[in-house]
Amino acid sequence: SQQGEEDPQALSIQEGENATMNCSYKTSINNLQWYRQNSGRGLVHLILIRSNEREKHSGRLRVTLDTSKKSSSLLITASRAADTASYFCATGYLLTQGGSEKLVFGKGMKLTVNP
Amino acid sequence: DARVTQTPRHKVTEMGQEVTMRCQPILGHNTVFWYRQTMMQGLELLAYFRNRAPLDDSGMPKDRFSAEMPDATLATLKIQPSEPRDSAVYFCASALGGLAPREQYFGPGTRLTVT
Repeated sequence: SQQGEEDPQALSIQEGENATMNCSYKTSINNLQWYRQNSGRGLVHLILIRSNEREKHSGRLRVTLDTSKKSSSLLITASRAADTASYFCATGYLLTQGGSEKLVFGKGMKLTVNP
Repeated sequence: DARVTQTPRHKVTEMGQEVTMRCQPILGHNTVFWYRQTMMQGLELLAYFRNRAPLDDSGMPKDRFSAEMPDATLATLKIQPSEPRDSAVYFCASALGGLAPREQYFGPGTRLTVT
């Protein structure tokens, strides 16, 4: 399966703590992306890391990618109650036909940040 | 503020009825995706288009589902006849297509209930 798998499936922390989410996948990827989904809303893109990158930062987000272990982690520092949401990793594949591409989403993990 | 729009936001229909969902991608985006989200299966890719041409609809039940892009500003997903197992949230997303998977921008979704 090309689908990434998030771990843990649910995480509950206190405001101000850091949250770490992991994603493992099975086949070679072109890039890996993290998305957030608030209840009843569409997914929102957070960050993209290419297969030749090892670490990337965006505000309070830090993502790492280890292609040898086929895993990625998303760290949210100094969490806020507003970070409460479901988080998805999406593995990006370049298909051979016509240069088209494909994103495969994991099932997501639920983060609860308690005030 | 560019965003993907979807109509209707909610649809309740009886089994056997035709359902049409519409999506307006972000202006300038040439790749459009249709996803279905359920608790059991997570987020599944149904179909996607590049420059209005269907590239992959392998995730779509062909006997009852059809997806089209009549023009660059409108994508439609049709179910005929609908069944209770089609109940889900259907998301449209758009992206700037290229040689590698890019970040996707999701609409708010259409919550479909088939009774």
